[in-house]
Amino acid sequence: AQSVTQLDSQVPVFEEAPVELRCNYSSSVSVYLFWYVQYPNQGLQLLLKYLSGSTLVKGINGFEAEFNKSQTSFHLRKPSVHISDTAEYFCAVSDQDINDYKLSFGAGTTVTVRA
Amino acid sequence: DAGVIQSPRHEVTEMGQEVTLRCKPISGHNSLFWYRQTMMRGLELLIYFNNNVPIDDSGMPEDRFSAKMPNASFSTLKIQPSEPRDSAVYFCASSSDRGNQPQHFGDGTRLSIL
Repeated sequence: AQSVTQLDSQVPVFEEAPVELRCNYSSSVSVYLFWYVQYPNQGLQLLLKYLSGSTLVKGINGFEAEFNKSQTSFHLRKPSVHISDTAEYFCAVSDQDINDYKLSFGAGTTVTVRA
Repeated sequence: DAGVIQSPRHEVTEMGQEVTLRCKPISGHNSLFWYRQTMMRGLELLIYFNNNVPIDDSGMPEDRFSAKMPNASFSTLKIQPSEPRDSAVYFCASSSDRGNQPQHFGDGTRLSIL
């Protein structure tokens, strides 16, 4: 079984400033990693995913994340945020088990971008 | 592609009534998931299906909740009888049947039980 910890529940940030959202996971097996974004009154949308290969993953809307196996982390970053990035962000993990399709989600980080 | 379609978007009903939530997954996806989201408990997986068969229903809160997937293009989540503590946003998601494929979420059903 896996678990995901998002270390910050709320992150206020000024427009055009950088932002980093921290995510740590625990698992006894190799995992796939995902970041999702949820805008108000909407479902979750995939930002990016790490499956294998390069540890730096680029996603939509200028976001990127870096997988660090030794620290079991998958932090999300954006160098310059916009007002429209105000949303809740979820880190998620799934086991690399061909028979297990479940995702375990973190509790979410609310990002509020201010002008 | 139309994405995952959920209906209704909003439901308000009185305690004790039966509630049925509906989901149409993305065509070609083999796995379907039902989640519940609340402020207190976050996002919880209730049940998931693979090839229309329930694989894991350990997240279903109690016997008042039931889910079916009669075919590859339709699933329902039913609550009978409903209680105020069932108030939440319920999401349906679908994916192809590989763990490395992302889940695609619907816009959710906001359920209020009075």
